[in-house]
Amino acid sequence: AQKITQTQPGMFVQEKEAVTLDCTYDTSDQSYGLFWYKQPSSGEMIFLIYQGSYDEQNATEGRYSLNFQKARKSANLVISASQLGDSAMYFCAMREGVGRSNYQLIWGAGTKLIIKP
Amino acid sequence: DAGITQSPRHKVTETGTPVTLRCHQTENHRYMYWYRQDPGHGLRLIHYSYGVKDTDKGEVSDGYSVSRSKTEDFLLTLESATSSQTSVYFCAISAGTGSYNEQFFGPGTRLTVL
Repeated sequence: AQKITQTQPGMFVQEKEAVTLDCTYDTSDQSYGLFWYKQPSSGEMIFLIYQGSYDEQNATEGRYSLNFQKARKSANLVISASQLGDSAMYFCAMREGVGRSNYQLIWGAGTKLIIKP
Repeated sequence: DAGITQSPRHKVTETGTPVTLRCHQTENHRYMYWYRQDPGHGLRLIHYSYGVKDTDKGEVSDGYSVSRSKTEDFLLTLESATSSQTSVYFCAISAGTGSYNEQFFGPGTRLTVL
């Protein structure tokens, strides 16, 4: 069974609109973390935002926020006021477990976001 | 930016030849990882290291070996390359401490096996 599911292979959004990228996860651990990374066409992987399972408030970083719904096991990325430079692949990833395995990330397949001018 | 370099950045090789990819970091981070990225699969962990000479297998380790003789270097070896190993390979590092413990990535190596 997939542990990280990103159901949107691709999305087109008009510039300046808000974007929500979906991510659902599956874990039986109580302690885990969720990450979002951005991969522009140039190929580098850029860390965007993190949410810990015990964090009571949704994480925010500038125009990025994470809509964390623990009971539904979803961790959607919200980008406010989208810009052309937001066009990229976006990956959701999870860290779970304790000890050495805690430092491994499990990745979703990604969502390709294209911002239209 | 985290100081992570990968070499080579691009390589074309033939089936059956050995290939070694190098990851070098200047951050003195304890954890290092090798991933491969293929369309539709996101990133998949090949091997990781939690210290010098301490390594472990990831999800897709068959056909790959690794070595870490120094904190700053993590080598990935394809003993006998196959066409199924054509991929983009990313090295990542993490400190193993801190509230996020996020992974930082190198620029990637595009490997083509003919």
